[in-house]
Amino acid sequence: DVKVTQSSRYLVKRTGEKVFLECVQDMDHENMFWYRQDPGLGLRLIYFSYDVKMKEKGDIPEGYSVSREKKERFSLILESASTNQTSMYLCASSLGRAGTEAFFGQGTRLTVV
Amino acid sequence: GQNIDQPTEMTATEGAIVQINCTYQTSGFNGLFWYQQHAGEAPTFLSYNVLDGLEEKGRFSSFLSRSKGYSYLLLKELQMKDSASYLCAVRDINRDDKIIFGKGTRLHILP
Repeated sequence: DVKVTQSSRYLVKRTGEKVFLECVQDMDHENMFWYRQDPGLGLRLIYFSYDVKMKEKGDIPEGYSVSREKKERFSLILESASTNQTSMYLCASSLGRAGTEAFFGQGTRLTVV
Repeated sequence: GQNIDQPTEMTATEGAIVQINCTYQTSGFNGLFWYQQHAGEAPTFLSYNVLDGLEEKGRFSSFLSRSKGYSYLLLKELQMKDSASYLCAVRDINRDDKIIFGKGTRLHILP
């Protein structure tokens, strides 16, 4: 079974802190994604990556950056956390592009105070 | 742009059948996914359609009409554990093959 693991289930950070959310997958998937999920807004794509050292902006990249130094790991970075970044963050991976579903991690509930 | 529309909430009775609709607008359609998400949990994959027609998988079926930009998820013999949100998602080859999600339909099952 594919396993996508996010480093924390719950996280509380202060405004202005630099925050790292880590995601690791164990199935040699090429593609990795970061989404945030908010009530009434659904899942929104922040950043994605189709290969090591590659990154592409999603629909809401402002205030975030990512790093993919190794194929299995995709990190989401909040450069200076703000209260409007309080959300559920979901990492996903998929084997290829067309026709392959994404597998999700368990999510990180981030609260910025 | 890309719009994915699905009803916000639906209610159905245990043992019945329910159909959740999804309409989408995209310039480079490259597949449609349905996911199930229980409260507080991650989405899990249910089905994938890229060609027109019906895909059946046990109690769940998914239908696609590319010309109409329309899909539905059909759930039969509803069980209480089917209470969850159902997410429609589309892959767009003209947008870097991103998977874009609709806002989800929250399904309530009544005994």
